[in-house]
Amino acid sequence: EIVLTQSPATLSLSPGERATLSCRASQSVSSYLAWYQQKPGQAPRLLIYGTSNRATGIPARFSGSGSGTDFTLTISSLEPEDFAVYYCQQHSNWPLTFGGGTKVEIK
Amino acid sequence: EVQVLESGGGLVQPGGSLRLSCAGSGFTFSGHGMSWVRQAPGKGLEWVSSISGSGESTYYADSAKGRFTISRDNSRTTVYLQMNSLRAEDTAVYYCAKVWFYDDGRISWFDPWGQGTLVTVSS
Repeated sequence: EIVLTQSPATLSLSPGERATLSCRASQSVSSYLAWYQQKPGQAPRLLIYGTSNRATGIPARFSGSGSGTDFTLTISSLEPEDFAVYYCQQHSNWPLTFGGGTKVEIK
Repeated sequence: EVQVLESGGGLVQPGGSLRLSCAGSGFTFSGHGMSWVRQAPGKGLEWVSSISGSGESTYYADSAKGRFTISRDNSRTTVYLQMNSLRAEDTAVYYCAKVWFYDDGRISWFDPWGQGTLVTVSS
């Protein structure tokens, strides 16, 4: 099973600041990595697929990068609605696995 | 608009059974795989099971193998998750999501997700 480790667990930032979230895989997942955003009481929403492709309707301030085992989600300038929990997920190998999540909170 | 909508959650006693349903709309249902992902209260996301568009291929997490069965009825554009021998640790919100399968058997990302249905296993 591929283990995804997200860091940090919590990121305390102010609106307008840049957020950098990390996801590390225990073995290569090539580019088969996605990112999701989840707000309290809501279902997860796809942000990024294939490491770096924004899903439909996702603002350009969200970007993804990386390959193999190390991946990054960057939010260039935090908007109030971006404070949420973010999960990475690999779909390279069965079983499919998620990272433990990074909570982006208001400082 | 592409949508998936879950139903069937509720309170069940340990050892009991429950069947969840997920109705898809706005897309060619038989051309897409479907998956179930769960989230225990206050916890992260856990993939549970996936099924191909034809229903011929099914996949399960170890936690679901032997107890849960995924199936689909393309004429009703609905996927099901039959859950037997339920345990307290199965308590979670269960989400349904649309996926698709690559030619090499890999699966895509999850998109979109339904709003979820809560399963509570307790006496």
